[in-house]
Amino acid sequence: ETGVTQTPRHLVMGMTNKKSLKCEQHLGHNAMYWYKQSAKKPLELMFVYSLEERVENNSVPSRFSPECPNSSHLFLHLHTLQPEDSALYLCASSQDFPGAGASSGNTIYFGEGSWLTVV
Amino acid sequence: QKEVEQNSGPLSVPEGAIASLNCTYSDRGSQSFFWYRQYSGKSPELIMFIYSNGDKEDGRFTAQLNKASQYVSLLIRDSQPSDSATYLCAVQGNNRLAFGKGNQVVVIP
Repeated sequence: ETGVTQTPRHLVMGMTNKKSLKCEQHLGHNAMYWYKQSAKKPLELMFVYSLEERVENNSVPSRFSPECPNSSHLFLHLHTLQPEDSALYLCASSQDFPGAGASSGNTIYFGEGSWLTVV
Repeated sequence: QKEVEQNSGPLSVPEGAIASLNCTYSDRGSQSFFWYRQYSGKSPELIMFIYSNGDKEDGRFTAQLNKASQYVSLLIRDSQPSDSATYLCAVQGNNRLAFGKGNQVVVIP
């Protein structure tokens, strides 16, 4: 069982819908992430939160809105998405925020992902 | 130049052979290096991390890091069909972790 859980695992939504992806980490980590994985592309970092503060927004369109109410939970609110937004969305966490030097605390652990299809 | 490059196409190896995967990176200041394995339809799972030049062994896996040449490699000894997956190289630099596109490995029984 992974220490990072994501719900829902699969989501189909229309372009006018509003939905949310939820992530919970049980590892006591301080940093949480949203990544997007599309076919034939590298993992794309979307957002980074460190101690509940957003520290990186990687030029993500405003139709994706993250929320981090506490260090264990992370949401990704979705609205008016496009078909090209269909992808695997991965939540992840790490003990430390990257940049803390060479340390095992930088290791990122992924959740099982949420498969999103926009129709 | 891409941050992290994994250029090789799908790699087919016979069962029991050694699979060798290479990864190059552009940020000379990078400090931490990771290899993840991703099965089809699943999320990436950590195999190894390495920080220092040289080799690091864990079971059938060996990571090799050469900071002067800016590459990191992964060797899989005694390859098993269960090793068939995509292997992602990740490099930490500039306060972020950058991933390569991955290398698909197919172990042929």
